[in-house]
Amino acid sequence: GENVEQHPSTLSVQEGDSAVIKCTYSDSASNYFPWYKQELGKRPQLIIDIRSNVGEKKDQRIAVTLNKTAKHFSLHITETQPEDSAVYFCAASIRASNFGNEKLTFGTGTRLTIIP
Amino acid sequence: NAGVTQTPKFRILKIGQSMTLQCTQDMNHNYMYWYRQDPGMGLKLIYYSVGAGITDKGEVPNGYNVSRSTTEDFPLRLELAAPSQTSVYFCASSSLLPAEAFFGQGTRLTVV
Repeated sequence: GENVEQHPSTLSVQEGDSAVIKCTYSDSASNYFPWYKQELGKRPQLIIDIRSNVGEKKDQRIAVTLNKTAKHFSLHITETQPEDSAVYFCAASIRASNFGNEKLTFGTGTRLTIIP
Repeated sequence: NAGVTQTPKFRILKIGQSMTLQCTQDMNHNYMYWYRQDPGMGLKLIYYSVGAGITDKGEVPNGYNVSRSTTEDFPLRLELAAPSQTSVYFCASSSLLPAEAFFGQGTRLTVV
């Protein structure tokens, strides 16, 4: 089955600086890579996703890059703000048939702390 | 628009007791999942379902059972609760992947 590794497990950055979180996946059949943000005591929520036919995607201060050859993808947050403090999870999904993908496999999470 | 609803939000069980965590979604999603999240850890898949009548094991299925008799409901059954099952349980649903997975608010379960 798919295995997703995520690094670092904790990350502290000064407010205004950039943060980068990296994930690797094992199955080359994976073709969908979402990122979820989980604030303390809350449910995970999707912040951005990328599909394997795209190398980069941006949404305001958030961007995701994908390197299919190396089987890794990264989340980039620029101009960090205190409200960016949360746990971030990457995930991967494998195409299982012509009709859709299989289950989501999550990384172990990165606790991001923004230092004012 | 309720989304994914889990009940209960909190529960304390004694060792050996059983219980069912309820999950229902009103988005007509085919896919439904149960994850557990241990303190400071990631999300581990317990069971998932790609449609009514179809379920499959995830990474950590031992000690749990599920059923999917309708599109809307995906209950998780714990038999003979053990302290190792102390965790926060999240139910989630999505339309045909690849698509956003929507999570319920979680159930915090403590087994003593």
